[in-house]
Amino acid sequence: GESVGLHLPTLSVQEGDNSIINCAYSNSASDYFIWYKQESGKGPQFIIDIRSNMDKRQGQRVTVLLNKTVKHLSLQIAATQPGDSAVYFCAETIGDDKIIFGKGTRLHILP
Amino acid sequence: EAGVVQSPRYKIIEKKQPVAFWCNPISGHNTLYWYRQNLGQGPELLIRYENEEAVDDSQLPKDRFSAERLKGVDSTLKIQPAELGDSAVYLCASSLHSPPDTQYFGPGTRLTVL
Repeated sequence: GESVGLHLPTLSVQEGDNSIINCAYSNSASDYFIWYKQESGKGPQFIIDIRSNMDKRQGQRVTVLLNKTVKHLSLQIAATQPGDSAVYFCAETIGDDKIIFGKGTRLHILP
Repeated sequence: EAGVVQSPRYKIIEKKQPVAFWCNPISGHNTLYWYRQNLGQGPELLIRYENEEAVDDSQLPKDRFSAERLKGVDSTLKIQPAELGDSAVYLCASSLHSPPDTQYFGPGTRLTVL
């Protein structure tokens, strides 16, 4: 069946270093992918998205990479800051179908 | 501009009791979603509204869950009767357009069923 998952449940990164959060998806028909950030006690917050006709998209301090060959998605955060501590979810969708979220990766920032 | 508003933020009830959650989406957003998020998991869609019409309720347990969006703005999600397994965070989100479009989430209602 369709599923979206993350390789690591937790990731610890030194403040100032770059963070890379990975995600694998199983449905090759998925054509739209989103990364969300969820802080404790809050709802998910949109970070960045990418469509399947692209392999890279950059935002402010964040980059999403899409490798359709191996069905892999990653989120790169440059110069990680304490405020980046949160759970990060990747999500996929096909056309106008519902979004399917993965389980999430908790990012810890080490001082 | 206010984001998605949800109330209450927390609710504790005993099993078999009814409970209702309220959501006010971002002004002008036609599409409204209700999600359930279990601890350590990603959100799972329960129902999606386009204006006042429920266009995807395939994941809504209809024996005990119901939802409405009568005037195409605010929405309520109800559980009656609640079961222990319903303990979760119930998230509301809205988007300006139909999917795929950026969804904006509210803070959620944390439900604990004892």
